[in-house]
Amino acid sequence: SQTIHQWPATLVQPVGSPLSLECTVEGTSNPNLYWYRQAAGRGLQLLFYSVGIGQISSEVPQNLSASRPQDRQFILSSKKLLLSDSGFYLCAWRSGVPYNEQFFGPGTRLTVL
Amino acid sequence: SQQGEEDPQALSIQEGENATMNCSYKTSINNLQWYRQNSGRGLVHLILIRSNEREKHSGRLRVTLDTSKKSSSLLITASRAADTASYFCATDARSTYNQGGKLIFGQGTELSVKP
Repeated sequence: SQTIHQWPATLVQPVGSPLSLECTVEGTSNPNLYWYRQAAGRGLQLLFYSVGIGQISSEVPQNLSASRPQDRQFILSSKKLLLSDSGFYLCAWRSGVPYNEQFFGPGTRLTVL
Repeated sequence: SQQGEEDPQALSIQEGENATMNCSYKTSINNLQWYRQNSGRGLVHLILIRSNEREKHSGRLRVTLDTSKKSSSLLITASRAADTASYFCATDARSTYNQGGKLIFGQGTELSVKP
């Protein structure tokens, strides 16, 4: 069966520090992968998605970047964190055609101080 | 533009009652999905309804879709305290630009079921 992992679960970082969040998927190959951010009490904002190794699409201009160095690995990064980067970051993968259900990881709670 | 607007934003009911949440969207879709999120956790997929379907059931869940009104509803029957969570609808837009299978999520309905 497929599983998705995210780490760390929580992170407290100072403003201006770098960031690296990792997401890995097991039990599937060539998944579509997604990074979302959720502000407190709000819906999900799609940040990046990837349809294959090295292929990244950005949905909103921001202080973050994403990379997909391996088929089942998706990394969210920043060189210098801003206060506004605080939030709950969720990684998800998509099942194949014809359905489009997405399966989510447990999330990373990021607090930038 | 924002797809998938849910209402109400918050709903509080007693155990055993039914809970109904609504979702409206703006563009043509391939399917609409409902997800559940317990506080501080990831989202869990509940049910998917395709654009050519009008109603779907899964256990105590019943989803309807009205593509003419661009709206959907999620009904949870005989609610339990364990149903307390946030519920989100998400739309898979029918667009040649949606090559990545993106979903657009609404802001969610926060459901509280009191024992």
